[in-house]
Amino acid sequence: KAGVTQTPRYLIKTRGQQVTLSCSPISGHRSVSWYQQTPGQGLQFLFEYFSETQRNKGNFPGRFSGRQFSNSRSEMNVSTLELGDSALYLCASSLGQGGDNEQFFGPGTRLTVL
Amino acid sequence: AQSVAQPEDQVNVAEGNPLTVKCTYSVSGNPYLFWYVQYPNRGLQFLLKYITGDNLVKGSYGFEAEFNKSQTSFHLKKPSALVSDSALYFCAVRDTNAGKSTFGDGTTLTVKP
Repeated sequence: KAGVTQTPRYLIKTRGQQVTLSCSPISGHRSVSWYQQTPGQGLQFLFEYFSETQRNKGNFPGRFSGRQFSNSRSEMNVSTLELGDSALYLCASSLGQGGDNEQFFGPGTRLTVL
Repeated sequence: AQSVAQPEDQVNVAEGNPLTVKCTYSVSGNPYLFWYVQYPNRGLQFLLKYITGDNLVKGSYGFEAEFNKSQTSFHLKKPSALVSDSALYFCAVRDTNAGKSTFGDGTTLTVKP
């Protein structure tokens, strides 16, 4: 069974631009979560989707948004990029919506904002 | 609000020695607790989880963790460390219903030959 895939793997953008990251969960997984990983802040929860509905949102500004499609694939969008948005963005999928489900992570998208 | 603390940024052990990576948590209600490992330039991999039942849970690659409710801890252990265990380890707590996971800041484990 294929793992979680994320595209692109690397991105370089400039301040003010916007970016869209894509995540394909493991087949059959309906829950997708997004995290921002930085050396100083660790892993920060962005949002979680289940069956195309956003169930939880972390403490990030409105410039960060996401959505989930009917095939469970998810996209994350960041508008008006800032230097501080440079990070590794990780997507994770899990089988169900219960908190007892472990998450399976993709390799991440490394975003660099210049 | 839920939180996780990993008090050690770095743990160094010699190959063949036992290892412990510490984790304490704070959550309202019953916790779901997880350990993940991250190798360089890769995403996180699930190691093990505690949901309910036996306080000692066994996971991948010979790792185990002990849940201690009174001390609100969930320490990761392995009887005999391997050099290949060197990686970044994250403890996480998850709400019983919602999808939000809160991760600790991570502990870098270095196993020296």
